[in-house]
Amino acid sequence: DTGVSQNPRHKITKRGQNVTFRCDPISEHNRLYWYRQTLGQGPEFLTYFQNEAQLEKSRLLSDRFSAERPKGSFSTLEIQRTEQGDSAMYLCASSLSLTFGSGTRLTVV
Amino acid sequence: GDSVTQTEGPVTLSEEAFLTINCTYTATGYPSLFWYVQYPGEGLQLLLKATKADDKGSNKGFEATYRKETTSFHLEKGSVQVSDSAVYFCALSQPRGGSNYKLTFGKGTLLTVNP
Repeated sequence: DTGVSQNPRHKITKRGQNVTFRCDPISEHNRLYWYRQTLGQGPEFLTYFQNEAQLEKSRLLSDRFSAERPKGSFSTLEIQRTEQGDSAMYLCASSLSLTFGSGTRLTVV
Repeated sequence: GDSVTQTEGPVTLSEEAFLTINCTYTATGYPSLFWYVQYPGEGLQLLLKATKADDKGSNKGFEATYRKETTSFHLEKGSVQVSDSAVYFCALSQPRGGSNYKLTFGKGTLLTVNP
């Protein structure tokens, strides 16, 4: 692996729908982070995993958000009952050099 | 908690001008400091970093020195190019378990370089 891969790159969804994003980190990096970036702001920490264990969650991560990292490899971030305020770029980062993926841009209409 | 404050943009320069983007931080202990760059429509790319006081990070003509006495990590480049137009983010990370932990970012500075 040469980098962090995120899919999809863009997602447009209707308010109230559920969405799921995927992150494939650099192999052998045991820490994986999720961040959210809104327009004109710096990224904000959401949650992180050490292998398969979710060790910390920001208070930004409401109960509509859930993240998993089965088997300590790829990770998914699910948002249930999306709201317009969820519109943002969702970034995944891999540990060591804190390498970021290109992000998933979510637009809730 | 930890925080990062950086030059409020936008910053507009002519090609070959000197660039300074200021960054100051508030943190306990000895954080690592980073500059990231984000080109339009893309994710973040690590530009440079410094892990201890007086370290200088450098890459692609950009430099920043970790100044603990002034809690600063200003980004400089002697001669900017149009291709440097992007948003620049200063960030810090508290080490945990021997490696970097979550990043705290500034709000970003939009740089536009005109030919």
